[in-house]
This record gives sequence, structure tokens and C-alpha cells, in this order.
Amino acid sequence: GAGVSQSPRYKVAKRGQDVALRCDPISGHVSLFWYQQALGQGPEFLTYFQNEAQLDKSGLPSDRFFAERPEGSVSTLKIQRTQQEDSAVYLCASSLGQLSGEQYFGPGTRLTVT
Amino acid sequence: QKEVEQDPGPLSVPEGAIVSLNCTYSNSAFQYFMWYRQYSRKGPELLMYTYSSGNKEDGRFTAQVDKSSKYISLFIRDSQPSDSATYLCAMDWGGGSEKLVFGKGTKLTVNP
Repeated sequence: GAGVSQSPRYKVAKRGQDVALRCDPISGHVSLFWYQQALGQGPEFLTYFQNEAQLDKSGLPSDRFFAERPEGSVSTLKIQRTQQEDSAVYLCASSLGQLSGEQYFGPGTRLTVT
Repeated sequence: QKEVEQDPGPLSVPEGAIVSLNCTYSNSAFQYFMWYRQYSRKGPELLMYTYSSGNKEDGRFTAQVDKSSKYISLFIRDSQPSDSATYLCAMDWGGGSEKLVFGKGTKLTVNP
């Protein structure tokens, strides 16, 4: 079946622009996660949804970052007034929602802020 | 000190070699341990998923967890050029938190 999909795959933004990154999880997966991966580093947790409820947003680096999942399926990560330090790959993952269930990742969106 | 430490390598081995990849961690609350494989410009792909101490084998891959030493390993037997990728260890606390804490990743090249 279809895996996690993300769009766009690549995004170039000028400093100060707003961007929106989309994630389509695996059908039926209750939990959805966003991670940020800087070059040469492992992914770092940003935020977590169970259905439409955002249960943990402790990893969001600033109030410029906002995520939503209004109908418990597709999710959008929005970054306002982008800065150069926001340049990274943004990964989305989904899982069935069982305790510590296996997470399946999408291909990521590579954001470059110039 | 980061919660999860992983030697970034790079590691270069000949085809057919046995590869050993390792991570150490500091938080004894971690209960679930995973290894992901990430090819260049792709998302991480789950390879192995284990709970608590012990060994788990899947084909050419063996995952080991030693909770007393806070040390996990991934062994790859009969390595192939297609195994060339970055290998990421990851772990979580269980109990509903679900967020994964990753190591930095080890870049592996298997030379034909």
C-alpha cells in the first residue's frame, strides 16, 4: 500500500517568507510525527498528533513553527518568517498509535532558506 | 552529553564483511530500541525494532540490546554494496510518549 507522502519535496524560501509543508500519513495511522533533520545529524522531534489532537509540541524550536492536523489525517507544518537556521529536511512519520508503535517515515521536504 | 551517542563514522568495509554498528545512551528510562536505514535524500526506513534486553535476528541483520550497559548494536552479516547507507539508532521511553530520540547516524560504505 501507499506509504507516507510529503510535499513539496524541495522548497526554497527567501528569509522572512512563510512556508507550509504537507504530510499525508499511511491510511488508518492514528499517530503522526514531525521531525527536523539538519545536515549530518539524526532527526530531532518537533511535534506529535494523535488523531487531530496535538499531544506534544515540546520540540518546536520557536513560536514561528506551527503544526495542525484538523481532520486527523493530513497534517501541515507551517513556518512563519523563515530564518536561515530553519534550513533542514523536515520528516513526517506515522504509526498505528499503539504504545511505542513502529514509525514509518516519508521522504522528507528539504527546505533551503536563502 | 547527548542522550544517545553514535559514532558518525564514516565506516568503509569490503563486500562480505561483518559490520558492527553501535549506540550508547544515558537515559535508563528508554524501553524500545530501533535501527533505521537512510539512503541519501530518502526518509529513514525501519530495519529492526526491539523491546528490552536481548537479541533479535532478521535475515542478515541482528540487533542486540544490553540495558545494563546502556548499549545497543546492529550487526550486518555478508554485507552488500546495497547496504551502503546511513544507519540511525533510535529509542523511546514507552508509556505513551512515542517520540523517538535518534543518534547522529553512522555512514556505511560497502565496497564491491
